[in-house]
Amino acid sequence: ETGVTQSPTHLIKTRGQQVTLRCSSQSGHNTVSWYQQALGQGPQFIFQYYREEENGRGNFPPRFSGLQFPNYSSELNVNALELDDSALYLCASSYSQGSADEQFFGPGTRLTVL
Amino acid sequence: GQNIDQPTEMTATEGAIVQINCTYQTSGFNGLFWYQQHAGEAPTFLSYNVLDGLEEKGRFSSFLSRSKGYSYLLLKELQMKDSASYLCAVRPMDSNYQLIWGAGTKLIIKP
Repeated sequence: ETGVTQSPTHLIKTRGQQVTLRCSSQSGHNTVSWYQQALGQGPQFIFQYYREEENGRGNFPPRFSGLQFPNYSSELNVNALELDDSALYLCASSYSQGSADEQFFGPGTRLTVL
Repeated sequence: GQNIDQPTEMTATEGAIVQINCTYQTSGFNGLFWYQQHAGEAPTFLSYNVLDGLEEKGRFSSFLSRSKGYSYLLLKELQMKDSASYLCAVRPMDSNYQLIWGAGTKLIIKP
């Protein structure tokens, strides 16, 4: 069983640039959630995709967008990067969007915006 | 608003027992999760509670009181590898997907 993978591991960008982060879900999982985790804080929910459609969004501006592909892999795109976007970005996959489903997290992408 | 509170940091001794508390105020309640996160790594699932009471899983147990908006994670026979952050997360009633996360409790284990 292949776990959740994310790429790249680390990324450095400058303010105003755009970035795309990628996530491959665990085998058999059709739901992916993206989180932003600042240092010393808990994860903040960005959005969730279920069967290629966004079915929930946290308190993040529209410049945070995403996609889920037929193979259930996913992308997080962030436009017009700001310094405060520097954080660890985590994706988590689960079997469905049900309330009891355990989420399996990837290792994360550490984004630094200069 | 929605809020989850946990102590910022705790210290315990190898072989001892430690209890990490979590209190929450959310728009309804549809389950509480505990995750472990080692520094620089992704969170890993520890437990899930949706009904009142104690859930035991090896050295780790988790307790929930919905009327009090309170949970705790109990770690027994502490090992050095248990040094990590422990995150409490709640799924609100009005959401089938979103988890509201606490800031985590950093647990330091001393020999």
